[in-house]
Amino acid sequence: KAGVTQTPRYLIKTRGQQVTLSCSPISGHRSVSWYQQTPGQGLQFLFEYFSETQRNKGNFPGRFSGRQFSNSRSEMNVSTLELGDSALYLCASSLGLAGETQYFGPGTRLLVL
Amino acid sequence: AQTVTQSQPEMSVQEAETVTLSCTYDTSESNYYLFWYKQPPSRQMILVIRQEAYKQQNATENRFSVNFQKAAKSFSLKISDSQLGDTAMYFCAFMTHYNTDKLIFGTGTRLQVFP
Repeated sequence: KAGVTQTPRYLIKTRGQQVTLSCSPISGHRSVSWYQQTPGQGLQFLFEYFSETQRNKGNFPGRFSGRQFSNSRSEMNVSTLELGDSALYLCASSLGLAGETQYFGPGTRLLVL
Repeated sequence: AQTVTQSQPEMSVQEAETVTLSCTYDTSESNYYLFWYKQPPSRQMILVIRQEAYKQQNATENRFSVNFQKAAKSFSLKISDSQLGDTAMYFCAFMTHYNTDKLIFGTGTRLQVFP
């Protein structure tokens, strides 16, 4: 089975712009979660989608949003980018049942100038 | 709120030796799951091992095993016969039964394996 894929792998944006990141889960997985990893804050949960519905949300401002499509692929959008949004964005997929293991993609590295 | 603490920012071990990474957590939940993930320089997060809180038996995966002490809220990872490829950041993570797919991570332990 193919693993979780994320596109693009690298992005450079300037402050004020917006960005969309994409995540394709493992075939058969219905849940996609997004995490932000920075040196200062570590790994933080952004949100999780299951069957096209946001099921869980972390403590991030409304500039961070996401969605999930009927094929379970997910996108994450960040509007009005700030320097502090520079990070590695990881997505993970699972079957979506209680306690199921999450499998991570390779991440998208976003640099905001 | 749940928290995960990894008190060892960095550790080193010689090839073929054994090393133990520490993790403690805090929760009022009784039903939860614990994980160790490895993040090598490629930044790909890889599952090492998982433990269900309702299981008393410690999980084992080849050279990796855990010491799960539920009363003490401790979840340490033991790596036996360390290999150069074990060099990575190791993250302890926690998930409740009712907040599925929301992992809470510790700050990580950087492990260096020397030849």
